[in-house]
Amino acid sequence: GAGVSQSPSNKVTEKGKDVELRCDPISGHTALYWYRQSLGQGLEFLIYFQGNSAPDKSGLPSDRFSAERTGGSVSTLTIQRTQQEDSAVYLCASSTGAFSGNTIYFGEGSWLTVV
Amino acid sequence: QQQVKQSPQSLIVQKGGISIINCAYENTAFDYFPWYQQFPGKGPALLIAIRPDVSEKKEGRFTISFNKSAKQFSLHIMDSQPGDSATYFCAASGGGSQGNLIFGKGTKLSVKP
Repeated sequence: GAGVSQSPSNKVTEKGKDVELRCDPISGHTALYWYRQSLGQGLEFLIYFQGNSAPDKSGLPSDRFSAERTGGSVSTLTIQRTQQEDSAVYLCASSTGAFSGNTIYFGEGSWLTVV
Repeated sequence: QQQVKQSPQSLIVQKGGISIINCAYENTAFDYFPWYQQFPGKGPALLIAIRPDVSEKKEGRFTISFNKSAKQFSLHIMDSQPGDSATYFCAASGGGSQGNLIFGKGTKLSVKP
């Protein structure tokens, strides 16, 4: 695709429900990242995938958060038992490789509101 | 531990003026320092980036100044325009973070006509 595609663009969910956020990276990009952006805050790293290597999950804030990447392309970020503090914009990004200096391209984000 | 500190949090500049945003980092293993620009409702987009082997990089009206000994770098926007109004993030990567970017908290820039 032309850019990183994310869906849904907006999601309102009730506290305690599970949500799934989808990311379709730029074609051919082997590295895929998830970040979280809360109101007035910077971009908080969550997880990244590089090819077939084990993902770096060091940024996931709790065990309610998980992500998978199928076939080295599309990724899904799952938040279980959502809490109000999970409300944020979830940004997906991709690059040609997880090496310092490779340009990271972001999608427009999935806006999650937990009520 | 915040590895990249950014200031100011917000900035108001008159059209034609110079906008300056500063960042400081802690990890001396960082070897790539990009600036991202984000408009409301959009994802961040790479604006300009620098490696620590140079002290300055200029692209059009945007310049990065880099001070390796002080572990600081800054973004200068010359002849600021209302269209430059956006949130700017500095970031760093390298060392243990590999290609993963560590971001500052952002600066909201407003350029008044």
